[in-house]
Amino acid sequence: GAVVSQHPSWVICKSGTSVKIECRSLDFQATTMFWYRQFPKQSLMLMATSNEGSKATYEQGVEKDKFLINHASLTLSTLTVTSAHPEDSSFYICSADLGTSGGNEQFFGPGTRLTVL
Amino acid sequence: TQLLEQSPQFLSIQEGENLTVYCNSSSVFSSLQWYRQEPGEGPVLLVTVVTGGEVKKLKRLTFQFGDARKDSSLHITAAQPGDTGLYLCAGEDAGNNRKLIWGLGTSLAVNP
Repeated sequence: GAVVSQHPSWVICKSGTSVKIECRSLDFQATTMFWYRQFPKQSLMLMATSNEGSKATYEQGVEKDKFLINHASLTLSTLTVTSAHPEDSSFYICSADLGTSGGNEQFFGPGTRLTVL
Repeated sequence: TQLLEQSPQFLSIQEGENLTVYCNSSSVFSSLQWYRQEPGEGPVLLVTVVTGGEVKKLKRLTFQFGDARKDSSLHITAAQPGDTGLYLCAGEDAGNNRKLIWGLGTSLAVNP
């Protein structure tokens, strides 16, 4: 149980285009999902908390107009990188929270490698 | 602001050696998780510790939560090349926001 999928697994795009990444909880409902960015051999950097049916909560320094998050259902959250530039190239990972009270365990998708040319 | 310091940041050892990774904070965490991540994949949850002083074992991995719930350690016995990866600790944020506070990670390489 607690499987999270992410699509696409990798994407290459031209500078100035927008890219949408999907995160799905396959066997459970997730009212809360998280979007992270990760650089090679470094830890996860939380970008935003995605809440079903409400606006996402962005971390300090993350541009909400550049990284659009939509959590329209209990099993799907999307991250759209708008007007992507080479500096947006990174590994983007989503996670979903089971919502239990005994520890905030998060289950992660396999990640999306974004390369902006 | 809650911080979680993880050490060492990099570790390269020979197969069969033992190692310990530490996560320390001045803040109390209600729970702490350990994850392992392989290149190009998402982190995988290894264990959650909740009670101060708790010790959990997962085959050759031993996880301990400090009595004051401010620190944790991961000990690997007789490391194998398959243990290679990035190990991450994460503590439950004190705010009611379901966020995790992440350590910087320990990149472990076990050489055959």
